[in-house]
Amino acid sequence: GNSVTQMEGPVTLSEEAFLTINCTYTATGYPSLFWYVQYPGEGLQLLLKATKADDKGSNKGFEATYRKETTSFHLEKGSVQVSDSAVYFCALSSYGQNFVFGPGTRLSVLP
Amino acid sequence: DAGVTQSPTHLIKTRGQQVTLRCSPKSGHDTVSWYQQALGQGPQFIFQYYEEEERQRGNFPDRFSGHQFPNYSSELNVNALLLGDSALYLCASSAGFWVQETQYFGPGTRLLVL
Repeated sequence: GNSVTQMEGPVTLSEEAFLTINCTYTATGYPSLFWYVQYPGEGLQLLLKATKADDKGSNKGFEATYRKETTSFHLEKGSVQVSDSAVYFCALSSYGQNFVFGPGTRLSVLP
Repeated sequence: DAGVTQSPTHLIKTRGQQVTLRCSPKSGHDTVSWYQQALGQGPQFIFQYYEEEERQRGNFPDRFSGHQFPNYSSELNVNALLLGDSALYLCASSAGFWVQETQYFGPGTRLLVL
């Protein structure tokens, strides 16, 4: 079945540092890939998505590129802020299948 | 434009009781999915409703059941509650049954079973 693997957290960075959160997936067919963010006490918010190979999703300074050859969708941001502290979930969806989420990576950004 | 709404926000029940959680989808969306998120984990898919029928189901026992109404809103029912049912229950809506459509999540209902 489909699955998503994310790097273990927590990740702690200083403000303005570069962020990478690794995500790899296993899926049949051609899934769509997503990053969701969850702030404390809240539901999940869509951060960005990509629907086909080599697509780059971007939003609020975050980027991720759909790499079919390495089955990866790593999340990056050039300069993190304290307000980026949250839990980040990588997810995939294949046609006719439900969403599958990774376990999440907690990010803490220190001032 | 209202997003996905859920009620109640918090709930405390005791073992063996039954609970009903409610969800209203984002305007224009007709498909509702339910997820269980245990503390420190990612959401786990429970089931999905479209056209008032359960279309897909995850690995959850029959104690978990649901319903979708003609206005696309949905309920999640859990019978014979166990301590392990304590979690954040998330509702997500999307446009159309094609699951690759982006899902938008509500704030969740936090259920505590004592």
